[in-house]
Amino acid sequence: KNEVEQSPQNLTAQEGEFITINCSYSVGISALHWLQQHPGGGIVSLFMLSSGKKKHGRLIATINIQEKHSSLHITASHPRDSAVYICAVGSNYQLIWGAGTKLIIKP
Amino acid sequence: NAGVMQNPRHLVRRRGQEARLRCSPMKGHSHVYWYRQLPEEGLKFMVYLQKENIIDESGMPKERFSAEFPKEGPSILRIQQVVRGDSAAYFCASSPGGGTVVNEQFFGPGTRLTVL
Repeated sequence: KNEVEQSPQNLTAQEGEFITINCSYSVGISALHWLQQHPGGGIVSLFMLSSGKKKHGRLIATINIQEKHSSLHITASHPRDSAVYICAVGSNYQLIWGAGTKLIIKP
Repeated sequence: NAGVMQNPRHLVRRRGQEARLRCSPMKGHSHVYWYRQLPEEGLKFMVYLQKENIIDESGMPKERFSAEFPKEGPSILRIQQVVRGDSAAYFCASSPGGGTVVNEQFFGPGTRLTVL
């Protein structure tokens, strides 16, 4: 079993739908990261969480430390949100990375 | 201010050949991190370098792989005698300071290595 598990692996939705991507981990952490990887490779950091909830525009990330679980939500999804969303956990630059969730938003 | 640049973007090698992957960090950044992403898997840390120094190479395979970040020029990830299992996307990231986590790192577009 991987130390960081993401679900679903693939998600296709219609524009406007509310999107939830889940991340469960089995190791002790000091921080959890959500990143976005666009077609063509570019990786951008979205959130770093150690507790609670963070919001940036239409993106919301939550973490439950006791349950070792985090969710990334996208409200009013748009085709430009199509990307791979990656969860990574750790306490320094040597993170444990999830395999990613491939999200496709259809117009 | 150009972002992190990697070249080539795609590299095809036959088994036994050498692969050289280059990474030019963002201007002003003196710390470079290399990651490997195997098909259907998450990224894995390989090596962390500062100018002319390897800070942490604990993620690097012991054989055939080496990395350098000279005083002048890009960082180079070198894979000798490539095998099919080396086929992956190799990402470079840079940061202005040291030992940073990914939210302070700027990623390049990656080099996709295919070994025939």
